Amino acid sequence: RKEVEQDPGPFNVPEGATVAFNCTYSNSASQSFFWYRQDCRKEPKLLMSVYSSGNEDGRFTAQLNRASQYISLLIRDSKLSDSATYLCACLRGGTALIFGKGTTLSVSS
Amino acid sequence: EPEVTQTPSHQVTQMGQEVILRCVPISNHLYFYWYRQILGQKVEFLVSFYNNEISEKSEIFDDQFSVERPDGSNFTLKIRSTKLEDSAMYFCASSRGNTGGGQPQHFGDGTRLSIL
Repeated sequence: RKEVEQDPGPFNVPEGATVAFNCTYSNSASQSFFWYRQDCRKEPKLLMSVYSSGNEDGRFTAQLNRASQYISLLIRDSKLSDSATYLCACLRGGTALIFGKGTTLSVSS
Repeated sequence: EPEVTQTPSHQVTQMGQEVILRCVPISNHLYFYWYRQILGQKVEFLVSFYNNEISEKSEIFDDQFSVERPDGSNFTLKIRSTKLEDSAMYFCASSRGNTGGGQPQHFGDGTRLSIL
């Protein structure tokens, strides 16, 4: 089983739609989780950290389910500018972020 | 907003040559990292560095690779004898504190390394 797995998509949604991505991780000892956004051939940009209690930042909501070992990202009211690849990252050991391959989102007008 | 900067943006090198990739982490950050991303693949951890020593390294980070913080601002990745399979985008990242304590890692815009 891969350490971090994501549905590659692509997810094609119209503007204004709500879309959700899931990510599963295999290392039950992982303690820290993050969502990053990556535009084509650019660097990963931090979107949000994921906390046990769940957290929200504007249109974005992240959830962590430790029992089932998955994290999720919900995007409400999708904008054209949300089109990107969304990377899930889990911390292995103390410092190494292990990334999934990413889920591609395409928002159309 | 402070950011991680990397130079050069693109490096083309002959196979077998040495290459040094440079990074200036965010100024008050204490942890530094290198990752790579082969075209079409996922971002992969190479090495982390704290207090002037390697904290953790992956199986990719073999004897051909080394890292150094030669002064108070730069952080470098050296590949001693490059191979074709080293062609990738190399990202430097930094964090204020330990990511295990919740401090996120912030990435530079990368150096595209092309080995001929």
